[in-house]
Amino acid sequence: AQTVTQSQPEMSVQEAETVTLSCTYDTSENNYYLFWYKQPPSRQMILVIRQEAYKQQNATENRFSVNFQKAAKSFSLKISDSQLGDTAMYFCAFMKFKGGSEKLVFGKGMKLTVNP
Amino acid sequence: GAGVSQSPSNKVTEKGKDVELRCDPISGHTALYWYRQSLGQGLEFLIYFQGNSAPDKSGLPSDRFSAERTGGSVSTLTIQRTQQEDSAVYLCASSPAVNTEAFFGQGTRLTVV
Repeated sequence: AQTVTQSQPEMSVQEAETVTLSCTYDTSENNYYLFWYKQPPSRQMILVIRQEAYKQQNATENRFSVNFQKAAKSFSLKISDSQLGDTAMYFCAFMKFKGGSEKLVFGKGMKLTVNP
Repeated sequence: GAGVSQSPSNKVTEKGKDVELRCDPISGHTALYWYRQSLGQGLEFLIYFQGNSAPDKSGLPSDRFSAERTGGSVSTLTIQRTQQEDSAVYLCASSPAVNTEAFFGQGTRLTVV
């Protein structure tokens, strides 16, 4: 079974600074997807960024980028120029892919607070 | 609708009662997921539907929990004889067959008193 580990339960950062959220996973699969989801106090889960395991290039999405280390099974999220609206729970998630989508497995999440 | 819709948004029920939680996925999405999120915790997988395949029920915590998906669209999660430990936010998500991104509803907050 796949597992996703987020070892930092909570972090805080000053507005405009850069912060990195860590995530490791365990799988014997070769084809899979990795995701970072954000859950603000409104409770709505929002996809931040995704990475296909077969791609060597790290995914980027505006201020959000990942450092995907497949051999180390590590998938960290970097948030640049942090904004107050980035305050939320962040969840790392894994999905194996075998000819069609499979279930998402989530880590326990990390609470990020951006301070003014 | 444009997104995943869940109802009710909040539900308070007495211990021992049955409850039904509803999820309307995005039209055309073949995959549907139910997750449970206890206060301050991560997302606990409950059940997964994919097209006409048999659902993956491996996350259901007890036989008091069941879920149906009618016509490949709307899904209902039923909790029988509710217990206080069932109190949580129940999240539903759907995704299309090809693109793997899952889109979430806003959840149903269930409180068992």
